[in-house]
Amino acid sequence: DIQMTQSPSTLSASVGDRVTITCRASQSISSWLAWYQQKPGKAPKLLIYKASSLESGVPSRFSGSGSGTEFTLTISSLQPDDFATYYCQQYNSYYAFGPGTKVDIK
Amino acid sequence: EVQLVESGGGLVQPGRSLRLSCAASGFTFDDYAMHWVRQAPGKGLEWVSGISWNSGSIGYADSVKGRFTISRDNAKNSLYLQMNSLRAEDTALYYCAKGPGDFSLFFDYWGQGTLVTVSS
Repeated sequence: DIQMTQSPSTLSASVGDRVTITCRASQSISSWLAWYQQKPGKAPKLLIYKASSLESGVPSRFSGSGSGTEFTLTISSLQPDDFATYYCQQYNSYYAFGPGTKVDIK
Repeated sequence: EVQLVESGGGLVQPGRSLRLSCAASGFTFDDYAMHWVRQAPGKGLEWVSGISWNSGSIGYADSVKGRFTISRDNAKNSLYLQMNSLRAEDTALYYCAKGPGDFSLFFDYWGQGTLVTVSS
């Protein structure tokens, strides 16, 4: 089974900051990686698929990169609406989510 | 507008059964794979099961294999999850999620979830 890890587990940041979250897979998943945003009491929302493809309607301040085993989600200028938990998910072999990264207010 | 509405959750004793349903609208249901993803209280996301558009491909997480059965009725635009031999560790919010196409992809739309609590 493919295991996913994320770092950091919690990130404290301010509005306007550039934020980077890292996701690692236990074996190569090519570019079969998605990123989701989840706010408290809400369902996850798809942000990025195939490692770097922006889902329709998602602000361009979100971007994804990486391939193989290491991936990043970057928020270029953090906005108030971006404080949330972010999950990566591989879909190379079945499906597995990372443990999540909570972005909170510094 | 894509809508996924889950139902069927509730409080159930360990060892008993429960059947979840997901009513889909706003898209051509029989063109897409569908999945169940769960989230235990205060925890992360866990894929539970998925089914291709024609039920030809079905998969389960090891944690539920042999106890849960996924199915769909394309005529009724509905997805189901039959959960047997429930355990305390199955307690979670169960989301219905739509795939963007084929079976082995990501999840582009999610319902709001139905809560399953397994407790005596």
